[in-house]
Parts: sequence; structure tokens; C-alpha cells
Amino acid sequence: DTGVSQNPRHKITKRGQNVTFRCDPISEHNRLYWYRQTLGQGPEFLTYFQNEAQLEKSRLLSDRFSAERPKGSFSTLEIQRTEQGDSAMYLCASSLGGSYNSPLHFGNGTRLTVT
Amino acid sequence: ILNVEQSPQSLHVQEGDSTNFTCSFPSSNFYALHWYRWETAKSPEALFVMTLNGDEKKKGRISATLNTKEGYSYLYIKGSQPEDSATYLCAFGGSNYKLTFGKGTLLTVNP
Repeated sequence: DTGVSQNPRHKITKRGQNVTFRCDPISEHNRLYWYRQTLGQGPEFLTYFQNEAQLEKSRLLSDRFSAERPKGSFSTLEIQRTEQGDSAMYLCASSLGGSYNSPLHFGNGTRLTVT
Repeated sequence: ILNVEQSPQSLHVQEGDSTNFTCSFPSSNFYALHWYRWETAKSPEALFVMTLNGDEKKKGRISATLNTKEGYSYLYIKGSQPEDSATYLCAFGGSNYKLTFGKGTLLTVNP
């Protein structure tokens, strides 16, 4: 399967714990995006990378959130000291080039539940 | 804050009906408009990427139009089938290489 892969699919954690999600994009895609989706809302932009460089980070992303993409391959999204408001579906997507003409290829997402 | 609005929020149709949804977006600083279909328990799948005013795209029974001057796009489904049931998302692409999504239209096609 050469699609975008996300792990884990589901994560249940207690408030205050740290969690880390992984995304493996399509191998030749240079852009990688993280989005978050909560019930009744569309996906909200969190951050994106071009190769290993993090080019933009949403104001939604507090200091508790950090993302990396070492060597421009897979990416990790870490949430420290989780809060109940962090419960959401976290979606990763990749694309070749900019978003103007290139569709995003999404993974199946990681559903986070903070208890 | 960019406003991308989709209507209706949800829609129930009978198999064989044709239907359409609307996406409205800022008419300034426009670079692209994307449509995605998101079926339950699957990942969002790209349907169309449109960049030019007046663009019309078609994929099987699904088609889309784009009016960048007035800031709207229509998605049409002809002869809806139960497998068309999904959330349809539009996304506005501005100059900053990120997409701003609407809340989606949830389509349910009853057999």
C-alpha cells in the first residue's frame, strides 16, 4: 500500500499524559500537513512541512503541540500534558508540490480521546 | 479568519435523485478550490482541484463548477446511489499553501 499511513488509529489517554502520533506520507511527496477535526467541524489546519522544514504553524497549535519531520520523510505530532479539549481526529496528508494544483492525500487519521 | 461556508449542512435523497451542494469562499486572494469526499471509516478522497474561473470538472456522475469572481462552487451528483453517501468537503486554497476547509455537507442516499 503506497498511501498515507497514520499510527495509531486510536489513542485513549488520561489528562496530563503526553502522546505522539506518526504519519508516513507517500514517499515522493515533499509536502506534509497536519489537520485536526472535531465533531461538526471541517478539518482545521495545524501545521505543514516542505521536506524537513516546518513552514507554517497555526495559532491553534499551543506550546504543548510540536511536530517534526526529520529528513523530510515521516512526521510525528506530539501533544504534551493533554487536555480534554485535545480530543479530536488528527489527520495527516501529503502532496506533491503546492496546494494550488495538487490534491491532498489523506491518511485514515488518529482518533485521540482524552479522559 | 477565512470563511468557507457549505450548504446544506446535511441532505437526504432517494436513490436516483440528482442533487447539488454549494461552497462559498472569499473572492479575493484565490488560488484553488478543492472538493473531497469523506466516507465513514475511510480517509478523505480528492474529487476535484479547480483553479480557473469558469472551470468545470467531471468524474463519472459527479461534476463541479467554479465562480471565483463571486466566490462560489457547486458540486452536482446525477442519479445518486447509496455508495455516494458521504461527507463532501470543499477547501479554499489561498496564497499561503494551506487549505481552509468548510464544515462539509453530509449526504445520505436512501435505497
